[in-house]
Amino acid sequence: DQQVKQNSPSLSVQEGRISILNCDYTNSMFDYFLWYKKYPAEGPTFLISISSIKDKNEDGRFTVFLNKSAKHLSLHIVPSQPGDSAVYFCAASDAGGGADGLTFGKGTHLIIQP
Amino acid sequence: GAVVSQHPSRVICKSGTSVKIECRSLDFQATTMFWYRQFPKQSLMLMATSNEGSKATYEQGVEKDKFLINHASLTLSTLTVTSAHPEDSSFYICSAPGGRAAYNEQFFGPGTRLTVL
Repeated sequence: DQQVKQNSPSLSVQEGRISILNCDYTNSMFDYFLWYKKYPAEGPTFLISISSIKDKNEDGRFTVFLNKSAKHLSLHIVPSQPGDSAVYFCAASDAGGGADGLTFGKGTHLIIQP
Repeated sequence: GAVVSQHPSRVICKSGTSVKIECRSLDFQATTMFWYRQFPKQSLMLMATSNEGSKATYEQGVEKDKFLINHASLTLSTLTVTSAHPEDSSFYICSAPGGRAAYNEQFFGPGTRLTVL
């Protein structure tokens, strides 16, 4: 049973436009959400996170939005750049403030076209 | 930022042999480390939590006698795949919480590609 779902295996966006990656979750105990970027044969790299007490967090070109009632979050990248092409994983935790193993989605392969 | 290394990056072994994978936090201490496994086109699946000075805790369905974890120091955790079989072939990744203020920001190692012939 997939507790974190990324329903789009891939997404193609033109350079300079906005990329929107979506993530849904089913476990209402999740209280912290993270986005990771991953290149082939490498470990994931942390991008941005959001606590369940917030509905938006912004860091440069990256913004994460959280809709708790819909159990949905999204990552916005604007403007999209060629170096953003990678697989993006949504991850969640129910650690309640402590470090804990993460539950990952299957990832979305973002392709930025010139 | 915090750096986590893994060794080896790639290993090919014969069925029935054991393989040890090391995970090190290079510039910070980690009392807890996590081991994940990723099959092709699948998500990273948490296998176990490695605890310095105590036994590892395993996720449901993960055989503790097959995947031996030793957290020998505050900067080193090892995962030993015992009597490896072809179905154990996967990408193994470790992570450690630390670095920036976010309490659950985890830093991942580069991963180890295990191929069992």
